[in-house]
Amino acid sequence: GAVVSQHPSWVICKSGTSVKIECRSLDFQATTMFWYRQFPKQSLMLMATSNEGSKATYEQGVEKDKFLINHASLTLSTLTVTSAHPEDSSFYICSARVDVNEQFFGPGTRLTVL
Amino acid sequence: SQQGEEDPQALSIQEGENATMNCSYKTSINNLQWYRQNSGRGLVHLILIRSNEREKHSGRLRVTLDTSKKSSSLLITASRAADTASYFCASLIQGAQKLVFGQGTRLTINP
Repeated sequence: GAVVSQHPSWVICKSGTSVKIECRSLDFQATTMFWYRQFPKQSLMLMATSNEGSKATYEQGVEKDKFLINHASLTLSTLTVTSAHPEDSSFYICSARVDVNEQFFGPGTRLTVL
Repeated sequence: SQQGEEDPQALSIQEGENATMNCSYKTSINNLQWYRQNSGRGLVHLILIRSNEREKHSGRLRVTLDTSKKSSSLLITASRAADTASYFCASLIQGAQKLVFGQGTRLTINP
């Protein structure tokens, strides 16, 4: 099946720094990828839809200047958390769309902001 | 919020028993999917049921879909300790093509 990777798998950073998370589709091309955030013991919340070659579409309440998304190629989307604060600590999961009905999820990145 | 609802939020049963989880969603969908997530890990896709299907089986899993009630259920038969995890339904919203997740059910199988 299709494989999606994320890097890093976990990251700890100081408050005020920026962190970049990569999402790659390893054996297929994905024009559309999605970024989700999951707080402890909660469900996944869609943050944004990442479209190759165009601007990301953000969900209501998600600050696009804080969560920068770049989908520069058909196999890579990046999420940069700018000026991270402790409340940004979360589990970030990406997915890549294979076709209109199917997405494959990455293993997630745990971000801890001190 | 578009997020769907699941019940129960937590379920604890004995090994060998059946576990049933329910999910409701709010808008028209193309399909509904169920995922498993072990603590602190990524999602594992379990099963997908299309909007024109009413029931689907995969091994010990049985999924039903009632589009008139906007609800789905996941039945795990003959549960095992390894089934202990959180289970999420996710509805693929028609038109928007976005997956909206339910709140999840934390399932604990006691040996």
